[in-house]
Amino acid sequence: QQQVKQSPQSLIVQKGGISIINCAYENTAFDYFPWYQQFPGKGPALLIAIRPDVSEKKEGRFTISFNKSAKQFSLHIMDSQPGDSATYFCAASIGETSGSRLTFGEGTQLTVNP
Amino acid sequence: SAVISQKPSRDICQRGTSLTIQCQVDSQVTMMFWYRQQPGQSLTLIATANQGSEATYESGFVIDKFPISRPNLTFSTLTVSNMSPEDSSIYLCSVRNSGAGNTIYFGEGSWLTVV
Repeated sequence: QQQVKQSPQSLIVQKGGISIINCAYENTAFDYFPWYQQFPGKGPALLIAIRPDVSEKKEGRFTISFNKSAKQFSLHIMDSQPGDSATYFCAASIGETSGSRLTFGEGTQLTVNP
Repeated sequence: SAVISQKPSRDICQRGTSLTIQCQVDSQVTMMFWYRQQPGQSLTLIATANQGSEATYESGFVIDKFPISRPNLTFSTLTVSNMSPEDSSIYLCSVRNSGAGNTIYFGEGSWLTVV
């Protein structure tokens, strides 16, 4: 599987602050970039996703920024809340030709302090 | 979104035994996958479960260790065979929702501890 590198490994943010998690990929054939949120004891839940034909997608407090030339994408959580404390995974897939198999980043453990 | 149910949700297994995990989806889906998440780690794809034919395994995973069935468009099983403590992981069923692009959803996972 092609690599997706994620940073930082852990992140501590104060309530109301902005959380930023970055990912970089190698395979330019990737055409779908989702972010998943995972709470302890739960399966990953789809948070937001982007395709490479747009540079930014916003859903509520969550924004994905995508830089195709740099092969990087990032998740921004505005006005971070203690309830956002979870592990976040970026991922990438190629789509139909590869059967939509996801390659995941290493994960970022986010802690939002009250 | 698809609702995915996995059984068992958690189990403690003896070394050398095998366990079958079931995945049931509330709607027909084009693709089903099985992932493994070792403690504190990311998710790794084990295989794609193909309806009516043999699963497609990723590098490092073999059918003898992880036999998979998918008899229809809403159900799949993963068996972890001849378990060792290294198999202690969360095993996650994942589906791609028909007609929803590449949106991929996950079940709650099956937490296996091998002692």
